[in-house]
Amino acid sequence: DAGITQSPRYKITETGRQVTLMCHQTWSHSYMFWYRQDLGHGLRLIYYSAAADITDKGEVPDGYVVSRSKTENFPLTLESATRSQTSVYFCASAREKPLSGNTIYFGEGSWLTVV
Amino acid sequence: GENVGLHLPTLSVQEGDNSIINCAYSNSASDYFIWYKQESGKGPQFIIDIRSNMDKRQGQRVTVLLNKTVKHLSLQIAATQPGDSAVYFCAENMRSGGSYIPTFGRGTSLIVHP
Repeated sequence: DAGITQSPRYKITETGRQVTLMCHQTWSHSYMFWYRQDLGHGLRLIYYSAAADITDKGEVPDGYVVSRSKTENFPLTLESATRSQTSVYFCASAREKPLSGNTIYFGEGSWLTVV
Repeated sequence: GENVGLHLPTLSVQEGDNSIINCAYSNSASDYFIWYKQESGKGPQFIIDIRSNMDKRQGQRVTVLLNKTVKHLSLQIAATQPGDSAVYFCAENMRSGGSYIPTFGRGTSLIVHP
């Protein structure tokens, strides 16, 4: 059971570069999410997707782009990385109709440093 | 000076003690709440959940209490063990259009001393 995997796990990039973080889940979950985690802010939602080809902005979407051409993949792209985007990024997935029992499963995180 | 906003609330307990971690949520319309545990260097893991039509739910060594009147959630861990040391987050599922979006609190760091 592979679950949810993120790649790369660690990345250092330069300001202005484009970076894509990959997320893949094997459960055929409808919902997928991208969060960033920063000290003092906890987990903040960047984008989410309720199904393939459907994406919506979260709390902090500026500077990020997502796509969901396939149910199992939800890549996050930083079009022109800035130092303020240095963070730990978590991908998550959940079944449809999130009520009781619809646990959100998280990946192991991608540590991104923008220099 | 020190910016205390950058530091997580911390609870330090002795092994074997009971721990209580508190969380205030923001939206009175939220109808589903979840507690997550995050160990260092890992993603958050589900611990226990509760729906808004309940005020208490018990799991293995953990109990979640919900007080909708004051929008307060607590996680009780019985006989705390060193392996319970982690950051604990509460999350509320807020309805956004036709979807439910998990919104997380800042977290509380639990330190268990052997």
